[in-house]
Amino acid sequence: QVQLQESGPGLVKPSQTLSLTCTVSGASVSGSDYYWSWIRQPPGKGLEWIGYMYYSGSTNYNPSLKSRVTISVDKSRNQFSLNLTSVTTDDTAVYYCARVSITMTAIYYFDYWGQGTLVTVSS
Amino acid sequence: DIQMTQSPSSLSASVGDSVTISCRASQTISNYLNWYQQKPGKAPKLLVYAAFTLKTGVPSRFSGSGSGTDFTLTISSLQPDDFAIYYCQQSFDSSWTFGQGTTVDIK
Repeated sequence: QVQLQESGPGLVKPSQTLSLTCTVSGASVSGSDYYWSWIRQPPGKGLEWIGYMYYSGSTNYNPSLKSRVTISVDKSRNQFSLNLTSVTTDDTAVYYCARVSITMTAIYYFDYWGQGTLVTVSS
Repeated sequence: DIQMTQSPSSLSASVGDSVTISCRASQTISNYLNWYQQKPGKAPKLLVYAAFTLKTGVPSRFSGSGSGTDFTLTISSLQPDDFAIYYCQQSFDSSWTFGQGTTVDIK
């Protein structure tokens, strides 16, 4: 059974870097069948895709966050991580990690999600 | 970015009702459209991918349709477990986007 679990600080100061890790079980982040992604949801609001990475190291980011985001993989620990620099209060959100599956016609979808972790940006 | 607009933003319905949620893309996205269900305090769950393919294990009362710019999610006979927020999401272009969500609550 595929499971994802986010971890990291729940409180980050403005202008600092938000760092989260997603630990995956039941699937390998080193495999070629899936991508691995981060999504966030501000309190009481909708979902925003942050970006994804592939086992090869290739990445794709939301243009609105691209200058501040890095997603990377640690194959030895079967984890992938999110770094978001220069955070503001607008970055306060529940952050989810998710696995991305792909159809034969290259339609991408999030088929497994972590439970989410709330990160508050505040001094 | 491709904008995804859902309608209505919220609806009230009774158990047993048939419910339809619409999702419109700002440009054609073929069938690169997925649907998710989210309950309070929980992560979203995949219901439908590629516009009409039901994820294994999702009840058959859920169905998706559409292509191009207009899509629908239908719940044929609403059950108590179906009261939730529903989101559409496109993966047609390199910047994936979600609709703003449709809340289905109890009348």
